[in-house]
Amino acid sequence: NAGVMQNPRHLVRRRGQEARLRCSPMKGHSHVYWYRQLPEEGLKFMVYLQKENIIDESGMPKERFSAEFPKEGPSILRIQQVVRGDSAAYFCASSPYLVGANVLTFGAGSRLTVL
Amino acid sequence: AQTVTQSQPEMSVQEAETVTLSCTYDTSENNYYLFWYKQPPSRQMILVIRQEAYKQQNATENRFSVNFQKAAKSFSLKISDSQLGDTAMYFCAFMKHEGESSGDKLTFGTGTRLAVRP
Repeated sequence: NAGVMQNPRHLVRRRGQEARLRCSPMKGHSHVYWYRQLPEEGLKFMVYLQKENIIDESGMPKERFSAEFPKEGPSILRIQQVVRGDSAAYFCASSPYLVGANVLTFGAGSRLTVL
Repeated sequence: AQTVTQSQPEMSVQEAETVTLSCTYDTSENNYYLFWYKQPPSRQMILVIRQEAYKQQNATENRFSVNFQKAAKSFSLKISDSQLGDTAMYFCAFMKHEGESSGDKLTFGTGTRLAVRP
């Protein structure tokens, strides 16, 4: 079991470009969460997805950010027209839905640097 | 909304000694879960320990144990026999289990940076 796989690990973009971050959940996990960690801060919830559905995007900025989890393939976090304030580590986590499980397994994160 | 407070930005401990990291939280919920996650320099988030609020017994995992005081909304982490590999950021986190319609969202504190000295 390869765990939660995120790529790329590091991404450098210039202001105005697009960033795409990918997350493959653990085998058997159908729930995906994205978190953002700004420098010297804790992780902040962004969005929760199940296959082909966005369940909760209450932590996602209203503009430029979008997420999807298609029927086939990884979950994608997309940031359009990046700005320097988007520089952060973006973590994906997955979980099965089992009563009493409630443990998120995190990927190693993708560090986005906006020049 | 839930909040999690870690009032110790940095801590230091001698190898083989014991250290306690503090965490308090605020919630109106009665059923919830509390976690400690470790983030070493590799930045990987690693689950250290989990506590269910309905359980009075404090959780333990080898050298890691918690002191869960529900009435005081306190959830401290004790690391015994500290090892150099324990050097990391430690995050306290709260989860209200809302069911499949809303998922299991974690609310994190700002972290405590622990350095274990040789």
